[in-house]
Amino acid sequence: GEDVEQSLFLSVREGDSSVINCTYTDSSSTYLYWYKQEPGAGLQLLTYIFSNMDMKQDQRLTVLLNKKDKHLSLRIADTQTGDSAIYFCAEGMFSGGYNKLIFGAGTRLAVHP
Amino acid sequence: DAGITQSPRYKITETGRQVTLMCHQTWSHSYMFWYRQDLGHGLRLIYYSAAADITDKGEVPDGYVVSRSKTENFPLTLESATRSQTSVYFCASSELSTGTRGYNEQFFGPGTRLTVL
Repeated sequence: GEDVEQSLFLSVREGDSSVINCTYTDSSSTYLYWYKQEPGAGLQLLTYIFSNMDMKQDQRLTVLLNKKDKHLSLRIADTQTGDSAIYFCAEGMFSGGYNKLIFGAGTRLAVHP
Repeated sequence: DAGITQSPRYKITETGRQVTLMCHQTWSHSYMFWYRQDLGHGLRLIYYSAAADITDKGEVPDGYVVSRSKTENFPLTLESATRSQTSVYFCASSELSTGTRGYNEQFFGPGTRLTVL
């Protein structure tokens, strides 16, 4: 079946690195995504990785994908207070004409001074 | 305004009442989606639409009705609201994927917080 799991809460000090982890079950995923949700707002795509890649780096963000273990992680370097938000992991599968997304429950990142 | 908008942003209603949540997008995206967000569950797909007059059920469709007479609008109706439908509802849209490994971002609206008393 399809299931995406992630820890619910992470607290880090400003300037440290944050690592948010996610596991998924469906090996037919084509893309894996990280979405960010700020308070009172909708979800915004942060980054994504194609399922045949191991790593993707985008400025302060590093995504690591371990396909064998079905494990995805998001590392945020030099975490700032503006990074405080809920981060959703999602696996995407092509379904007809769209990418079907299966979301995890979200990890709430709290950044403190 | 360009983008994807939802209205109302907040709604309080009573059990048994009919409620319609509106969603409007200005990109002419083919696909539109309705999700609900509940604590501990992430986002779950309620209904989606591939084009005007084409809709299909998602993971949790019971108690909801959708329509799509125009490409840009995708209203979600709760015909007889129940307390279990208290949630935050997100609308999203995306372009048509062009291949078996096509990547298409789903763009999300700001959400509607619905409380059913």
